[in-house]
Amino acid sequence: DIQMTQSPSTLSASVGDRVTIACRATQSISYWLAWYQQKPGKAPKLLIYKASSLESGVPSRFSGSGSGTEFTLTISSLQPDDAATYYCQQYNSYWGLAFGGGTKVEIK
Amino acid sequence: EVQLVQSGGGLAQPGGSLRLSCAASGFAFNNFVMGWVRQAPGKGLEWVSATSGSGGSTFNADSVKGRFTISRDNSKDTLYLQIDNLRAEDTAVYYCARVPPAYCGGASCYLYFDLWGQGTLVTVSS
Repeated sequence: DIQMTQSPSTLSASVGDRVTIACRATQSISYWLAWYQQKPGKAPKLLIYKASSLESGVPSRFSGSGSGTEFTLTISSLQPDDAATYYCQQYNSYWGLAFGGGTKVEIK
Repeated sequence: EVQLVQSGGGLAQPGGSLRLSCAASGFAFNNFVMGWVRQAPGKGLEWVSATSGSGGSTFNADSVKGRFTISRDNSKDTLYLQIDNLRAEDTAVYYCARVPPAYCGGASCYLYFDLWGQGTLVTVSS
């Protein structure tokens, strides 16, 4: 099975900062990668699919990039509402669906 | 309103069984692959199981094969997860989730989740 590794595990940034979260797969997954946002006590929310496609209704400050084994989620200008934990997910069922360990984003 | 409303869960003993339910509304349930994802307390997300729109095909994580059974009743727009031989490590919040129109090619289906239930806590303890 494919393993997904996110870095950093926690980051602290100020409102207005550009924030980048990395996700690495143990083997190539092409562009079959999604990103989710989860706030405490809530269900995850889909942000990005197919590595870089923005889900409808998600603010344009969120963007995704990458292919193969290296992927990035970027928040172009961090907002207070963005405080959450972010997860990547590889979604090719052949390898078993797998989530990264999560990145907690805190606001300074 | 498009939504998934979960029920079931609660406290169960090791070795026991539970059935979780997920009622869908606001969309054509039988047209969508559906799945379950769990989250142990303070931990990350773990995919558990998924089933095709008809229920004829299922996908399961290796960690739960043989103990977890996913099913659906399209006449009731409801998804189920039967958990048998419960273990302490099954303690988690369980989420049902919808897969947007799924693409399958060769031996692969491409399954991510665009709509989630509110989650239900399963606690396994004696």
